[in-house]
Amino acid sequence: DVKVTQSSRYLVKRTGEKVFLECVQDMDHENMFWYRQDPGLGLRLIYFSYDVKMKEKGDIPEGYSVSREKKERFSLILESASTNQTSMYLCASSPTGQKAYEQYFGPGTRLTVT
Amino acid sequence: DAKTTQPPSMDCAEGRAANLPCNHSTISGNEYVYWYRQIHSQGPQYIIHGLKNNETNEMASLIITEDRKSSTLILPHATLRDTAVYYCIVRGANSGYALNFGKGTSLLVTP
Repeated sequence: DVKVTQSSRYLVKRTGEKVFLECVQDMDHENMFWYRQDPGLGLRLIYFSYDVKMKEKGDIPEGYSVSREKKERFSLILESASTNQTSMYLCASSPTGQKAYEQYFGPGTRLTVT
Repeated sequence: DAKTTQPPSMDCAEGRAANLPCNHSTISGNEYVYWYRQIHSQGPQYIIHGLKNNETNEMASLIITEDRKSSTLILPHATLRDTAVYYCIVRGANSGYALNFGKGTSLLVTP
């Protein structure tokens, strides 16, 4: 079974802190994604990566950056956390090509910024 | 991308088949229909996808109408653990990488 793990299930940070969310997948997938999920807004793509060191902005990249130094690991960085970044963050991975939409999600990190 | 329409909620008795409909009347020829579900407090889970033929796997069956304007996800013997929000998503080669989850159908399986 594909396994996508995220470093924390729950996280509380203060405004202005730098926050790191880590995601690891064990299926050698090329693609990795970071989404956030908010009530009434559904899932929104923040960034994705299609290869090591390669990244592309999603729909809402402002206030976030990402890092992919190894194929299995994709990190989301909140440079200076703000209260409007309180959300559920979901990491996903998928193969490339035809199977790119078969995305496997981690359990999510519920981040609260106070 | 084709827009999808799903009923907001459905109930199903445990052990019965759950049939979840989805309308996608503007689907184009190269777009696939994907189904995901999200159990409360978990990440979304891929279920199945298809282009025009019916598909079956260990989780569910997908029936796509001949004109491809609608589809039905079938859970043949629903259990309480199938209570979740089910999302129908249409994606194709030019859709970009993001999965656009709409509001989905909230399925409640009752004892």
